[in-house]
Amino acid sequence: KNQVEQSPQSLIILEGKNCTLQCNYTVSPFSNLRWYKQDTGRGPVSLTIMTFSENTKSNGRYTATLDADTKQSSLHITASQLSDSASYICVVLTTSGTYKYIFGTGTRLKVLA
Amino acid sequence: NAGVTQTPKFQVLKTGQSMTLQCAQDMNHEYMSWYRQDPGMGLRLIHYSVGAGITDQGEVPNGYNVSRSTTEDFPLRLLSAAPSQTSVYFCASSNIGIAKIQYFGAGTRLSVL
Repeated sequence: KNQVEQSPQSLIILEGKNCTLQCNYTVSPFSNLRWYKQDTGRGPVSLTIMTFSENTKSNGRYTATLDADTKQSSLHITASQLSDSASYICVVLTTSGTYKYIFGTGTRLKVLA
Repeated sequence: NAGVTQTPKFQVLKTGQSMTLQCAQDMNHEYMSWYRQDPGMGLRLIHYSVGAGITDQGEVPNGYNVSRSTTEDFPLRLLSAAPSQTSVYFCASSNIGIAKIQYFGAGTRLSVL
């Protein structure tokens, strides 16, 4: 069964600190892996997209890594800001005979002043 | 640039009522999809479409119908609302391709009493 699992479920950090969120997936066939940010009450917004051959992708203070061999990804947030408080969702796209995005349950991040 | 527009933002239904959630995009995207988001669960795919006249079921299609008569519009119909359909519904669109960004609407919060 195609699955995307994320850890931790929730995380609280102080403003200015760094943090790393984890994602493990068992999706086959794999097309690409994405990280989304979802603010409370809003739809998800794409942060990064990585294909099989890419192992790092940055978007400002967000850096995603991908290890396709171990089927793991991480999202590192540097120098966190209050506006980083949101849910971060790992998503894997599978495209063989279909075209579906498989969503993780997300990590809820709270950044405190 | 409107992006993905969902209406209504909020809706309360009685059990057994029917209604249509509207979704429109102005980016000429081929791929459109509907998800529901429930507490503690990832976004789950209800139905999706890879182009006008083509629709397919996702993982939780029961109780919902869709049609795609134009590229721009992808309405979701609840046939006979049930309390189990209380959820937040998101519509999303993207072009079809390996690294195409998926755009989400702001969501429709539905309560079925």
